[in-house]
Formats: sequence, C-alpha cells, structure tokens
Amino acid sequence: LAKTTQPISMDSYEGQEVNITCSHNNIATNDYITWYQQFPSQGPRFIIQGYKTKVTNEVASLFIPADRKSSTLSLPRVSLSDTAVYYCLALNTDKLIFGTGTRLQVFP
Amino acid sequence: GAVVSQHPSWVICKSGTSVKIECRSLDFQATTMFWYRQFPKQSLMLMATSNEGSKATYEQGVEKDKFLINHASLTLSTLTVTSAHPEDSSFYICSARGRGLAGNTGELFFGEGSRLTVL
Repeated sequence: LAKTTQPISMDSYEGQEVNITCSHNNIATNDYITWYQQFPSQGPRFIIQGYKTKVTNEVASLFIPADRKSSTLSLPRVSLSDTAVYYCLALNTDKLIFGTGTRLQVFP
Repeated sequence: GAVVSQHPSWVICKSGTSVKIECRSLDFQATTMFWYRQFPKQSLMLMATSNEGSKATYEQGVEKDKFLINHASLTLSTLTVTSAHPEDSSFYICSARGRGLAGNTGELFFGEGSRLTVL
C-alpha cells in the first residue's frame, strides 16, 4: 500500500489559491490518487481523483507529474467554508488507508 | 452521487452495554464496506473490511470479538461494539465500494459517521 505524506497544516486567507502537495513515492501502477475533504464530525467527502497529468472539476484541480510520486491539490479562491482536513490517498481495489491529512485553516 | 447512510448519528450508552451501528448504501449495492474509527484531531483508522456474505477481515490490533461486523446483504453492514467501555468512545465511520458505480476504480463513499460516547 502506498504511504502518503502531506503537510500537517496550512493557513490561508479568503480568496487565495491554496495548493496542497502530497508525496506517494511507492505508488503502485493501479493506484489512483484521490483526495477527500473532511469537516468536523462528518465523514470524508470525495473531492477529486486522477491517475496522471491534470484533472479539473468544479471545485478543484489535481496535478500529477509523470512519475506520479507526488500530486498537488489546488483549491482556487478559498472561502471560510473550505476550512477542513484534506486527505490524499493512493486508491485502488484494495483497502483504503488514511494518512495524517492536512488541516487547512482559512482566515477572513 | 452514491449515498451511504449511518445510524445512529450519535449514541450514548452505559459502560458494559453493547451498541449497534448500521451502515446502509441507499442507491447502490455495496460489495465491500470498510469501518473506521476516528479520535479527536486524528486521522481515520481502518478497523476492518467486510465483503458481503463473508467474514470481516480485521486490522492488526482490532479485537474481532469486541467489534462485531456483519455484512449480511449488499446494502447493509453493521458494527456492534460489545461490552463498551469509555475508551471505546469515538467517531465511527463506514464507507462502501459498490458494484456498477460510475467513476474510477476504487472510489469510496462515506457515511456521515456515528459518535459513540460510553459513560
């Protein structure tokens, strides 16, 4: 199982772009890089998933270099409601192990 | 999107009693369900993996006789905390992987979580 490493915490201000980088040096060929968001006392919520290059949806972008050993979640113009913990996972058909996650605090 | 529902969302019980938490997939068949527990300001810790119709596979350090998991149907899995003690107080979260869901391999859908407080 690929272990992921993320910064423990990040601070930002409303309206700024936030980039959270995750390293997954031993990612397997069939792993998809998946990001989840979790608010206090709630289950994680799926944000975005990708295999390589760039993926964009209505809430975020995911950048994955060719070697796939890292990935960057980009949140454009964050708001206070984006304050949460963000988890990066290497996901496949096997079980899902969560790392420490990154606690993002957005200030007004 | 796919919906996973947990019940109850919170429960308070006395030490020594047993508590059952249900996890249901509302609009898909969950071939595999995962149970996690989460302590305050910590990450989710995988407890066990259950496949429909078979015994659950427990992670190292998780007592299978303490945390009984049943996955009797494709839409329901239950976690029973037996003889609960205050140290079992935690946030329990289930997730489900389904058959026939759109999206990339392995996308999981999570329940809302169940907060257990043992007095």
